[in-house]
Amino acid sequence: SQTIHQWPATLVQPVGSPLSLECTVEGTSNPNLYWYRQAAGRGLQLLFYSVGIGQISSEVPQNLSASRPQDRQFILSSKKLLLSDSGFYLCAWGTGFNQPQHFGDGTRLSIL
Amino acid sequence: TQLLEQSPQFLSIQEGENLTVYCNSSSVFSSLQWYRQEPGEGPVLLVTVVTGGEVKKLKRLTFQFGDARKDSSLHITAAQPGDTGLYLCAGRDNAGNMLTFGGGTRLMVKP
Repeated sequence: SQTIHQWPATLVQPVGSPLSLECTVEGTSNPNLYWYRQAAGRGLQLLFYSVGIGQISSEVPQNLSASRPQDRQFILSSKKLLLSDSGFYLCAWGTGFNQPQHFGDGTRLSIL
Repeated sequence: TQLLEQSPQFLSIQEGENLTVYCNSSSVFSSLQWYRQEPGEGPVLLVTVVTGGEVKKLKRLTFQFGDARKDSSLHITAAQPGDTGLYLCAGRDNAGNMLTFGGGTRLMVKP
């Protein structure tokens, strides 16, 4: 069966520090991968998606970047975090654009 | 940009009551999904509706896709405390590319 792992579960970082969140998927090959940000108790905003190794599409301009160094690994990064980067970050995978997405448990990021 | 509006944003009811959550848009979607999310976890898919007018039932939950595929509703019968959570609708555009999420409905069912 397929599984998705995100870590860390929670992270507290000072303003201006770098960020690296990692997401890995097991049990499937060549998945579509997604990074979302969710404001407290609200809907999801798509940040990045990837249809293959090294391919990244950005949906919104921001202080973040994404990379996909391996087929089942998706990384969300920042060189210098801003206060506005606080939020709940969710990674998801799907077998195709017209298929359901399956979410990880998220990372709660707090910027101080 | 396609937008999905969910209403109400918050709902607090007593156990045993019925409720309906609405998801509306001016855009047409090829399909629409409903997710449920608990605090500190990712959303979990409940159902996908594809055909205009389609009705799907999942135990006490009834999902309906509007005839014009612009709106959807989730009806819960005899709500239970275990139904508490954030309910999200998400629509897929006709190109089948991205999911657009609604703002969510936070439901609390009190025993």
